[in-house]
Amino acid sequence: QPVLTQPSSHSASSGASVRLTCMLSSGFSVGDFWIRWYQQKPGNPPRYLLYYHSDSNKGQGSGVPSRFSGSNDASANAGILRISGLQPEDEADYYCGTWHSNSKTWVFGGGTKLTVL
Amino acid sequence: EVRLVESGGGLVQPGRSLRLSCAASGIKFDDYAMHWVRQRPGKGLEWVSSINWNSGHSDYANSVQGRFTISRDNAKNSLFLQLNSLSAEDTAFYFCAKDLSSSGGNYSRGFDYWGPGTLVTVSS
Repeated sequence: QPVLTQPSSHSASSGASVRLTCMLSSGFSVGDFWIRWYQQKPGNPPRYLLYYHSDSNKGQGSGVPSRFSGSNDASANAGILRISGLQPEDEADYYCGTWHSNSKTWVFGGGTKLTVL
Repeated sequence: EVRLVESGGGLVQPGRSLRLSCAASGIKFDDYAMHWVRQRPGKGLEWVSSINWNSGHSDYANSVQGRFTISRDNAKNSLFLQLNSLSAEDTAFYFCAKDLSSSGGNYSRGFDYWGPGTLVTVSS
């Protein structure tokens, strides 16, 4: 099954834009997967943000602001979560996840702790 | 308002069993696949198990296959997880989560609602 690798931490200034990456392991192509993104704040369950497969196959979670968006970086073989206009309340852990149909398992990345400076 | 509330967690000795429940409200429960996801304290998310809308199909993580059993009672809007042969490695918060689809898997856009979680602690 694929391994999803996320940077353990990332920091950016309020108002800036950030790209959080979710890299697929060797032998798996990001274009073959639907990447889901979740936000988790301390003491709370995860919150669903969005999913991305392609520009024609993507979706936003209910109530999730449009400044959260998904994409792929084929050169890095990674799913991308872009957050524009960073706000202090965006400080959280962000997890990517995907379904691997061959092994019939869900896989999550290790999460990125985003700090808003 | 969609609500998922887990219960049944607690302190249990290694080798013993526990049954977790998740009560759903605010949704037509039998329209959706459901999942269990766990999170060890201070660690990341780990998928545990999934079940489709009519209990016709379920999947398990390798780490729990053969020890845990997922089930649901659509008449009672409830999801369950039977945990057997527990070990310290099973200590975690267990979340139930609702899928955006009825089947999950290939058809899933993700898990759009999560309960607050219930803590399972396995220790002698």
